[in-house]
Amino acid sequence: AQSVTQLDSHVSVSEGTPVLLRCNYSSSYSPSLFWYVQHPNKGLQLLLKYTSAATLVKGINGFEAEFKKSETSFHLTKPSAHMSDAAEYFCVVLRRTGFQKLVFGTGTRLLVSP
Amino acid sequence: IAGITQAPTSQILAAGRRMTLRCTQDMRHNAMYWYRQDLGLGLRLIHYSNTAGTTGKGEVPDGYSVSRANTDDFPLTLASAVPSQTSVYFCASSPLSTGGTDTQYFGPGTRLTVL
Repeated sequence: AQSVTQLDSHVSVSEGTPVLLRCNYSSSYSPSLFWYVQHPNKGLQLLLKYTSAATLVKGINGFEAEFKKSETSFHLTKPSAHMSDAAEYFCVVLRRTGFQKLVFGTGTRLLVSP
Repeated sequence: IAGITQAPTSQILAAGRRMTLRCTQDMRHNAMYWYRQDLGLGLRLIHYSNTAGTTGKGEVPDGYSVSRANTDDFPLTLASAVPSQTSVYFCASSPLSTGGTDTQYFGPGTRLTVL
């Protein structure tokens, strides 16, 4: 079965410093992976997705993620955090057994201090 | 283009009452989904529909029912609400292109409290 594990429930950074949100996946075949962001009291917005093309995926707002098969990881990074990046981030894998369904990680809350 | 709308935005409900959460999309997407979001658990799929007239059960379907009479609407009904159904509910849709890896688009959510 496909699943994802987000290794940190909370990450705190200072504005202008790099962001690293960690995600490991488990899949018996080449996975499709996503990162979604949820700002307070808002719905979820797609940041980026990996679909077996380039292993380095660029998303919106300066975020990117690298698919590493050898490490079964799909970590989300950004070179310089902005206050507006404070939000909840979800790593997601597409489960293809039967009807396609998204399987969500438990989320990582990013806190950005001035 | 509104995308996905959900109603109500929030609701406080007495246990045992019936409640329908509404979801409408204007993107002509084939597939629609209902999730609940609970602290520390991420989002869990309740029910889904891959096309009008068909529905399926997700991870946590008990206590919920759905219908898909047309492409645009996908209401979620709690026949007799219980406090454990207190949650934030998100509706989503995707084009469901065959063989593709569809992006799901989410509504703003409904915050439901069952007392």
